[in-house]
Parts: sequence; structure tokens; C-alpha cells
Amino acid sequence: EVQVLESGGGLVQPGGSLRLSCATSGFTFNSCAMSWVRQAPGKGLEWVSTITGTGGDTYYADSVQGRFTISRDNSKNTLYLQMNSLRTEDTAIYYCAKTLGGNYCPDYWGQGTLATVSS
Amino acid sequence: EIVLTQSPDFQSVTPKEKVTITCRASQSIGTTLHWYQQKPDQSPKLLIKYASQSFSGVPSRFSGSGSGTDFTLTINSLEAEDAATYYCHQSSSLPLTFGGGTKVEIK
Repeated sequence: EVQVLESGGGLVQPGGSLRLSCATSGFTFNSCAMSWVRQAPGKGLEWVSTITGTGGDTYYADSVQGRFTISRDNSKNTLYLQMNSLRTEDTAIYYCAKTLGGNYCPDYWGQGTLATVSS
Repeated sequence: EIVLTQSPDFQSVTPKEKVTITCRASQSIGTTLHWYQQKPDQSPKLLIKYASQSFSGVPSRFSGSGSGTDFTLTINSLEAEDAATYYCHQSSSLPLTFGGGTKVEIK
């Protein structure tokens, strides 16, 4: 059974940093691209970032480019999102998602972790 | 960026009724269009991949169709548990994008 579990959310002031983690099991982690998708309170879904299975390629939404860094540790089956220079508009539930083989479409999602940026 | 436009934004439906949700892409994306269901306080769940392929464990009353720029999600014989917001998503090109969502309410 595929399992995806995020952690690391919390309350941070504007300009601060957070590091999200996503522990996975039940699939061959190093064979799958992984993504972060966020959802602001009461709003729709917004893609944030994707990393390939080897970690060799990373992709970002324009809204987070230069501030967020996606990474993975294939020895620990864990995905990360380092979020720096946080803004109030980054407040959202952040979902970690496994992607379909050969495509970046998310198939299995975690329950999400809430990051709140507020003074 | 490929923009996905869903309609309607909201639909109130009686049980056993048929529901049709459409998603239009701003440019052709072949069949790299996927559908998700998100119930309140839950994470999204993949229903349909590549426009018409049912994802594992999804009830047969959910189906998808379309290609190019116009896509449809159909729920045959709606059940009370289908109350949710439905999103389309394209993985044809980066940035990945989602439609704005369609909220389905049970009358």
C-alpha cells in the first residue's frame, strides 16, 4: 500500500523559513518523480514543484522559484521542501504526491501539512 | 502556461442523477488530462488519468472522455458520498496546472 506522510508545517513570520518533509513507503521511491502541491485556505490546487526520481532535475512554479528548494533522499524514501523568504501568500496546506510513472501527474497524495505565514 | 477552465463552478444534484463537468484547455494537450475528487478536509484523490482511464479502485460510475482541448467528467447515478469538489489537471507541459474546481452538492 502506497503511503505518503508530510510533516514540518507550522507558524512562521514573513521572511522566515520552514522545511517540510514527506516520508513514503509502499512503492519504489527512487523510480518515481515526486511533487509538492499546495492549497491556500478555501482555494484551489496550485502546483509548487517536482523532482525526478534520481533528483537530477527539478522544476518550480514561478511563484516560488528562487525561494523554495525541492530535494530527496532516496536512501530514506523521503522528499523535502525547503521554503525560504516566506510570504503571507505562501500560507497553505502543502501536499506531497507521488507521480504516475512516465508522467508528472500526481496519483497518491499525503494528508497535507499546514504552513501559516503571519506576523 | 496552459489554463484549464472548468464549468460549472457549482452544481446541486439529486441522488441518482447524472453529473457532467467540463474542462477546457487553452491549447491542445492530447489526453494528458486527469480528474481528481476532493472531499472536505481530505486530500485529493485521482479518479481518471489520461482523460478516460479509470484509476485503481474508482467506482465505475465515474468516467472521463475527450482529447485536445475539451474534456468531460461524468458521474452516472450520483451517490451521497460523491459530494465533493472535482478538479481537472494537465501534465502535458510545465508549469503543471489545475482547473478552478467544480463543487458538487447533494440536494
